[in-house]
Amino acid sequence: GENVEQHPSTLSVQEGDSAVIKCTYSDSASNYFPWYKQELGKRPQLIIDIRSNVGEKKDQRIAVTLNKTAKHFSLHITETQPEDSAVYFCAASMARGSSGDKLTFGTGTRLAVRP
Amino acid sequence: SQTIHQWPATLVQPVGSPLSLECTVEGTSNPNLYWYRQAAGRGLQLLFYSVGIGQISSEVPQNLSASRPQDRQFILSSKKLLLSDSGFYLCAWSLRTDTQYFGPGTRLTVL
Repeated sequence: GENVEQHPSTLSVQEGDSAVIKCTYSDSASNYFPWYKQELGKRPQLIIDIRSNVGEKKDQRIAVTLNKTAKHFSLHITETQPEDSAVYFCAASMARGSSGDKLTFGTGTRLAVRP
Repeated sequence: SQTIHQWPATLVQPVGSPLSLECTVEGTSNPNLYWYRQAAGRGLQLLFYSVGIGQISSEVPQNLSASRPQDRQFILSSKKLLLSDSGFYLCAWSLRTDTQYFGPGTRLTVL
């Protein structure tokens, strides 16, 4: 089955700096890669996703890049703010439609933004 | 728009007691439904998923079970809780587009 590794497990940055979180996956058939943000005690919230026919996607201060050859994808947050502090999870999925779209999650990165 | 509900929000149960957690989705039909567990400070573990009424796939063998009696209702159950069942239980739904949306979760403490 799919295996997703996520690094680093913790990340501390100064407000205004950039943060980068990296994930690698094992199944070359995976074609969907979402990123979730989870604040303390809350549900994971989808913040951005990318499909394997796209190399990069950007939404304001966040961006995701995908390298299918190397089987890794990254989350980039620019101009970090204290409210970006949370745990971030990457995931990978191979769309199977009616057979169920199972996400395999990374182990999470705890991001702390220092004011 | 679609909405997902879970209840109860929090639950404290003694070891050996039964469990029933409920998840319902509004505003869509025939969603894929998922149950995840998250231990304190840990990642998301997929427990069960369902692609339709009465169709349940188990990812991890354990003392939990799931049922889908209606199209938009997903239930997680146990006959006898263990200490290791403590955690944050999250229900999620998707519409065959991979994107999964999570419910607010149930925080279960087994004492």
